Amino acid sequence: NAGVMQNPRHLVRRRGQEARLRCSPMKGHSHVYWYRQLPEEGLKFMVYLQKENIIDESGMPKERFSAEFPKEGPSILRIQQVVRGDSAAYFCASSPPSRKSEAFFGQGTRLTVV
Amino acid sequence: DQQVKQNSPSLSVQEGRISILNCDYTNSMFDYFLWYKKYPAEGPTFLISISSIKDKNEDGRFTVFLNKSAKHLSLHIVPSQPGDSAVYFCAASLGDYTGTASKLTFGTGTRLQVTL
Repeated sequence: NAGVMQNPRHLVRRRGQEARLRCSPMKGHSHVYWYRQLPEEGLKFMVYLQKENIIDESGMPKERFSAEFPKEGPSILRIQQVVRGDSAAYFCASSPPSRKSEAFFGQGTRLTVV
Repeated sequence: DQQVKQNSPSLSVQEGRISILNCDYTNSMFDYFLWYKKYPAEGPTFLISISSIKDKNEDGRFTVFLNKSAKHLSLHIVPSQPGDSAVYFCAASLGDYTGTASKLTFGTGTRLQVTL
């Protein structure tokens, strides 16, 4: 679990600002997933990326949200013009490129929009 | 549409006894199931998984049972320990043509409290 690094752990943004959440996967992992957990709910899938490619973004809101996983550097989840409803815990997970292996999660970024 | 359901939001078990956490799913295309444990302010930690071609998988104190016809799985922890107190999430994934771990659909979690 400690192998997936997310930062910052806590992020406070005013309404209308941009939030950038970073995720460095475990060494050797080329698949990254972003999940969001609203209070008292389970984790909801947002997006699945491999290096330089978005594989599945079916869980991403259509507007204001974007994600990337560049060839070099961490994966970034970007939320533009944040609103109070974006307040949640955002978790990143990574997995190796092998058949049906479990995904390892980071500790999450708790975003609070004030 | 909640495709993975954990109908018990909480469970209290005495130390040393068996904990049984249940999970139901509606999508018959799910072919891989996982259990994660989560402490407050931390990310989920993988516990145990099972493929749809099996009906049981055991790892130490943890056993997962899968009943495909009932679309039901359960996690048994025996004996339960105070350190097992956490929220447990059931998750499922679909068959993936790429052959890699695909996105997970999570239940809403069950909070387990193991008492002394």
